Amino acid sequence: DGGITQSPKYLFRKEGQNVTLSCEQNLNHDAMYWYRQDPGQGLRLIYYSQIVNDFQKGDIAEGYSVSREKKESFPLTVTSAQKNPTAFYLCASSRGEHDNEQFFGPGTRLTVL
Amino acid sequence: GNSVTQMEGPVTLSEEAFLTINCTYTATGYPSLFWYVQYPGEGLQLLLKATKADDKGSNKGFEATYRKETTSFHLEKGSVQVSDSAVYFCALPRGSARQLTFGSGTQLTVLP
Repeated sequence: DGGITQSPKYLFRKEGQNVTLSCEQNLNHDAMYWYRQDPGQGLRLIYYSQIVNDFQKGDIAEGYSVSREKKESFPLTVTSAQKNPTAFYLCASSRGEHDNEQFFGPGTRLTVL
Repeated sequence: GNSVTQMEGPVTLSEEAFLTINCTYTATGYPSLFWYVQYPGEGLQLLLKATKADDKGSNKGFEATYRKETTSFHLEKGSVQVSDSAVYFCALPRGSARQLTFGSGTQLTVLP
C-alpha cells in the first residue's frame, strides 16, 4: 500500500537538544510538507519542498531545518533554537501540481521535558 | 492570497442529528476546495473535494457543494454517528503557490 510514514509516533527530548523527525513516502510524489499543530489550533506550515534538493521556508521556519536528498524522504530537525517545540508534527505530500490534494502521515507528538 | 474562514466550534450533536459546518472562502479564480477530517491522535485524511464551481463532493454520507455565488463550501451530513466525532478542516490552494491553506478546524462531538 502506498502512503506516508512518520516515526517515531511519540518523541521526548530534553531542552537544548536537537531532534530529527522522520517522514517517508512511497507515493512517488514530488512535493512534501511539514506542519505544526498545537492543541485546538489549525495547521501552520514549517517548510515545504517541491523537488529533490530544493526546499522553502513556510510561515514558521525559525528553529527548524530540513533536507530533501531523496524524493521519498523529507526529515525535519527541531533545533534548540525553537523556543516552544512541544507540538504535534504532521508531514504531507502531493503530486506538486497546483490544485492537488495533500496526503498526510500519522504525525509525531514531540514533548520537551 | 486565497483564504478560508471556517465555522468555530466546538459542535456537539446527538446521534442521528443533521450536521452543517460552514466554510467560506476568498480566492482568485475557482480553485479546488477540500474538506479534511482528523480523528483523535491521527493525521488528516481527505474527506471530499470539489474541483470546479457547482460540483458536489461526497464521501461517507458527507456532502459539500462548491457555490461560487456565495463563495461557500459548507459540509453537511444528514445523520451523524458517534464515529464521526473528529476535527474537520476546510482547505484550498494558497494562491499560485503549490500549497494549501487550512481553516482553523471545527471539533465535532457526537453523543450516543
